[in-house]
Parts: sequence; C-alpha cells; structure tokens
Amino acid sequence: DIVMTQSPDSLAVSLGEKATINCKSSHSVLYNSKNKNHLAWYQRKPGQPPKLLIYWASTRESGVPDRFSGSGSGTDFTLTISSLQAEDVAVYYCQQYYSNPLTFGGGTKVEIK
Amino acid sequence: QVQLQESGPGLVKPSETLSLTCTVAGVSMSGFYWGWIRQPPGKGLEWIAYIDYTGSTYYNPSFKSRVTISIDTSRNQFSLKLNSVTAADTAVYYCARAPVFGMVISHFDYWGHGTLVTVSS
Repeated sequence: DIVMTQSPDSLAVSLGEKATINCKSSHSVLYNSKNKNHLAWYQRKPGQPPKLLIYWASTRESGVPDRFSGSGSGTDFTLTISSLQAEDVAVYYCQQYYSNPLTFGGGTKVEIK
Repeated sequence: QVQLQESGPGLVKPSETLSLTCTVAGVSMSGFYWGWIRQPPGKGLEWIAYIDYTGSTYYNPSFKSRVTISIDTSRNQFSLKLNSVTAADTAVYYCARAPVFGMVISHFDYWGHGTLVTVSS
C-alpha cells in the first residue's frame, strides 16, 4: 500500500497569510508514460463531504479560488493557500490514485490564528 | 447538476450486513467509476471499493471478502454491502464519482453528503 503522510497535523495562520500543507507518499505517484502525478487534494468542512480542490497534483478544480494551488512531483507534494480566508478553515486531505488500494493522508487541520 | 445521495439503515447490529445505496442524479453512469469511502469518528478517510458502469469491481484488500459493490445503471444506483460488521465499522459512509482517464481511475470529483452508520446491539 502507498502510505500518504501529511504535515503538519494542524496549523494556525493569520487571515491573509499563506498556509502550506505537505504530503509525502511512500512510493512515487508519477505515471511516467503520461507525466502525470496521480494525486488529489480535498477540503473537508464540518458536516460536509470532502470537496475536490486539486487533481493531477496541480490542476485546480473548476470553481476553486485561485488562492489554492498544488505543486510537487514524485513523492513530495504541497497544497498552498496563498491568502487565508475565514471560509478556508477546514481539514485538508491528500489522496493518491496511482495504485490500489487508493489511500488518503491523515489530514491537516487549518485554523485562524 | 451532478448529485449523489446515500441511503440505508443508520443502525446495524454486530455480525450483520451493512447495506447502502447511492442514487445518482444529473449524469449518466457511463464513463465513470463509482466508489465508496468511509470516515470513522475521529479518524481519516478510507477507500472501500469502486465499480465502473460495466460492473468491473475493485476492492480495498483491508476489507478482505466482507465487501461487495454492485451497480444498476437502469436505476442510476450503485450499492455497497459489508458483511460481519463490528463496532469498528461505525463510520460516515460516502459515495463518490471518479472520472476515468485512459481506463484508470482518477480523483473523486463529486461526493454524496454521507450517511452515518452505527454498529451497535
């Protein structure tokens, strides 16, 4: 199984400041033949289902604000919120879809400082 | 507008079978994978299984032979059965859709709201 490790477990950021979440996979999730990283990022707010933010490691889902961006390749990935807004308070998860079983990171809780 | 809605009992007794159905609206089931993911209280997300519109199935080995996923495209529904449940199966169960890219599953782009299933006598 590919283990997804997120860091930190939680972080508190001031409004308007940058938030950075890391995700490391135990095996590369880069499909060389297509040069695509099989990694997604989700946002989960209390009482709501996960919402897709980023897929293929860096492609923003339609309707997602451009303050959210994804980067990285191979085994190391980052989700960046460039200017934290109050509505961004949530738990964020990375997920690999390179191989079965599909696996998620443990989540990173983002709060306002 | 794509919508997914889980339905099924909210309470299941230990050793019995958990059965859930996901009803899909606003899109044909063809050309997508359809999956189940759960989140136990205080824990992370765990993928259970997914199925494509032809009925090809993919399971998380962690569930061994306890789980069955099926699809009924005529009703725009897919279902999950989990046998021999224990308290550890208490979780919010989500159904979700995943686009297909080159015959490979990708990200889950639409999710149901989730349904809490409690395993207790």
